[in-house]
Amino acid sequence: AQSVTQPDIHITVSEGASLELRCNYSYGATPYLFWYVQSPGQGLQLLLKYFSGDTLVQGIKGFEAEFKRSQSSFNLRKPSVHWSDAAEYFCAVWGSYIPTFGRGTSLIVHP
Amino acid sequence: DSGVTQTPKHLITATGQRVTLRCSPRSGDLSVYWYQQSLDQGLQFLIQYYNGEERAKGNILERFSAQQFPDLHSELNLSSLELGDSALYFCASSVFGRADTQYFGPGTRLTVL
Repeated sequence: AQSVTQPDIHITVSEGASLELRCNYSYGATPYLFWYVQSPGQGLQLLLKYFSGDTLVQGIKGFEAEFKRSQSSFNLRKPSVHWSDAAEYFCAVWGSYIPTFGRGTSLIVHP
Repeated sequence: DSGVTQTPKHLITATGQRVTLRCSPRSGDLSVYWYQQSLDQGLQFLIQYYNGEERAKGNILERFSAQQFPDLHSELNLSSLELGDSALYFCASSVFGRADTQYFGPGTRLTVL
């Protein structure tokens, strides 16, 4: 069965600092991996995705993620965080049309 | 605004009751997905429809059912409601059922008292 672990429930960073959100997955075949962002009171928005090919993928809003098969990880990064990045972030693995989400990481940004 | 609409925004009902949540996909999108988000279970995929046909089923309870109509809107029916069914229910739509082109609606917040 597929699964996703986001080890950090909350992450606090200062505005302008770099960010890394961790995601570990379990899936038998080559995974389709996604990162989503959810602002308060909103639905999810896709940040980026990995299907195959280049293991470093670029997304919207200046985010990137790196797929590491050996570590079963797909960590999300941003070099400089803005106050508007404060939100909930979800990692997901898609297999056979069915997504499995992590429990999410809440990002708090201090001015 | 994602272009996906969900009604109602909020719904308060009692245990044992039945409710219907409605989703209108973005213009041109053939696929509709339903998700449940709760504090206990997190975000869970319930079911996907593509052009009126069920394509994938996730952790959807037998008390829940869904359908997609010829005009492509979808309804999620929840019956014999329990306190634990209180959650945010999201609908998403995509072109051709591709996961990377999903757009999420704002959700319906269901409270079961």
